[in-house]
Amino acid sequence: NAGVTQTPKFRILKIGQSMTLQCTQDMNHNYMYWYRQDPGMGLKLIYYSVGAGITDKGEVPNGYNVSRSTTEDFPLRLELAAPSQTSVYFCASGRGMAHSSYEQYFGPGTRLTVT
Amino acid sequence: AQRVTQPEKLLSVFKGAPVELKCNYSYSGSPELFWYVQYSRQRLQLLLRHISRESIKGFTADLNKGETSFHLKKPFAQEEDSAMYYCALMTGNQFYFGTGTSLTVIP
Repeated sequence: NAGVTQTPKFRILKIGQSMTLQCTQDMNHNYMYWYRQDPGMGLKLIYYSVGAGITDKGEVPNGYNVSRSTTEDFPLRLELAAPSQTSVYFCASGRGMAHSSYEQYFGPGTRLTVT
Repeated sequence: AQRVTQPEKLLSVFKGAPVELKCNYSYSGSPELFWYVQYSRQRLQLLLRHISRESIKGFTADLNKGETSFHLKKPFAQEEDSAMYYCALMTGNQFYFGTGTSLTVIP
């Protein structure tokens, strides 16, 4: 199993450009998450999904959109890139919320710079 | 609001010495707390969760609701413990991470 994969690894965007960060998992997990991590800060949840067709906002959703058409894929869309979106983006997946077995599996991250 | 605080950005200890990484949380309900670890050039991964009351790689963490803390402890630090450690709080479907503590174990 590849686990959670993210593409691209690095990207430089100009202000106002758009892009989609791809995330795919092959573990048949229902839950998927997108986080951003700014330098010296913790991870902040952008959006999450509890299953195909269901998405919800996290702590910092402004400027982003997501969709979940399949169990495997959870792309994150930036419509009008701004310098404040310069960050490292992590995708994660996990099983249901049964606390005794819950764990998030993280992707390797995408480093995005907006100039 | 739910928040997680890790007061130490950097922590250095000598090999064989005890280590404690601090985590305090702010949450009015029953918390679900985790410790995640990121070793150099590896992905973020789960170290332990309070509900399991387990010891992983010699690390333990006890939830203290009175002090709203979930400190991570190990009696004898090893060089391979050097990594970035994050405390995380789960409420409903949302996760909140602390800013992390970089642990260096000096040989």
